[in-house]
Amino acid sequence: QQPVQSPQAVILREGEDAVINCSSSKALYSVHWYRQKHGEAPVFLMILLKGGEQKGHEKISASFNEKKQQSSLYLTASQLSYSGTYFCGTEIGGGKLIFGQGTELSVKP
Amino acid sequence: DTGVSQDPRHKITKRGQNVTFRCDPISEHNRLYWYRQTLGQGPEFLTYFQNEAQLEKSRLLSDRFSAERPKGSFSTLEIQRTEQGDSAMYLCASSSLAGGVEPTDTQYFGPGTRLTVL
Repeated sequence: QQPVQSPQAVILREGEDAVINCSSSKALYSVHWYRQKHGEAPVFLMILLKGGEQKGHEKISASFNEKKQQSSLYLTASQLSYSGTYFCGTEIGGGKLIFGQGTELSVKP
Repeated sequence: DTGVSQDPRHKITKRGQNVTFRCDPISEHNRLYWYRQTLGQGPEFLTYFQNEAQLEKSRLLSDRFSAERPKGSFSTLEIQRTEQGDSAMYLCASSSLAGGVEPTDTQYFGPGTRLTVL
């Protein structure tokens, strides 16, 4: 039931782009993306809802393929502050989230 | 908007002791979630409340764990007879019921309580 994220880790230079994928075996109602820095709480990035609606607070884009139950997070022109572990949380109804194992992103100068 | 707060931030206890954590959600949020996170893993769902009603509890959750949200505001999570395997970060999140048949809204996380069981 836990979604699978790929890649597990990625190293970028500042200004490079990255894509993080999240795949579920369950029919999803929504996908939530978070970034977590070491020792801190997860910080909300974006929600993608069934039907195409998206809500986010940062200049980060994402997609949600309802047929394949897959979501991708697109990080463009990466900055040092983008470093951290990215988690997708999948919702199959009711509100609770099932999180993937995380993708560790390191952005180097 | 003061955000979600949790207390204490750190707790060290001896095996067999009871511990209680508190979570204060964002004031207008009626949903409150508890998650547990161990090193290198994503948060794992424990239980959640809508107002004061506990709507779901993880089947993986031992009977030693209990949570309450007596007045639909703050919540407490108690662990009885702690074990070393309970060592983890305990995260609380809150959200606002958006309305409709299947509402979904952003879950905002608190800073967590890091529990170490010796």
